[in-house]
Amino acid sequence: EAGVAQSPRYKIIEKRQSVAFWCNPISGHATLYWYQQILGQGPKLLIQFQNNGVVDDSQLPKDRFSAERLKGVDSTLKIQPAKLEDSAVYLCASSLTRTAGYTFGSGTRLTVV
Amino acid sequence: AQRVTQPEKLLSVFKGAPVELKCNYSYSGSPELFWYVQYSRQRLQLLLRHISRESIKGFTADLNKGETSFHLKKPFAQEEDSAMYYCALKSTSYDKVIFGPGTSLSVIP
Repeated sequence: EAGVAQSPRYKIIEKRQSVAFWCNPISGHATLYWYQQILGQGPKLLIQFQNNGVVDDSQLPKDRFSAERLKGVDSTLKIQPAKLEDSAVYLCASSLTRTAGYTFGSGTRLTVV
Repeated sequence: AQRVTQPEKLLSVFKGAPVELKCNYSYSGSPELFWYVQYSRQRLQLLLRHISRESIKGFTADLNKGETSFHLKKPFAQEEDSAMYYCALKSTSYDKVIFGPGTSLSVIP
């Protein structure tokens, strides 16, 4: 079984620039999550999709962050414009059912300078 | 409010010694509790979940609703157990999983 794929692995941008991350979940996993993990902290949920619909985006800073999951498969997370405090690892995860554990991707490490 | 706390940021034990990583949670309903582990240079992965009542890699965790705890235990630590461990809570009403801040376990040879 292929895992959750994320790209790029690393990204360095200047503040006020924009950036996009891509995630391809495990085939057949209807639920997809984006988490932000700041150094020294646990992952924090940004947005959850069920197929191509948003289930929870209550912690997504919508003035600068956006995410979409067209066709209910791949997903992209965008930050525009980036701030220094957005430096973090952005994790994508998917799950088969609502009660199953997550499978995480390897993450994208973003550094904003 | 839903919250997960892990009081120890760092925990060092000698190889062969027992290890216990503490996790406490606050949640008004009946949550699902998980332990996730991240080994060096690897992705975050599920270690065990309380509803399975399983033992993975010698680790067990018991949900204590009275104390709102879900401590992770292993009787004899191995060097390969050195990793970052995250306790996580998932409400049965929503799918959102909330992670604790993590405990870095270091097993000294």
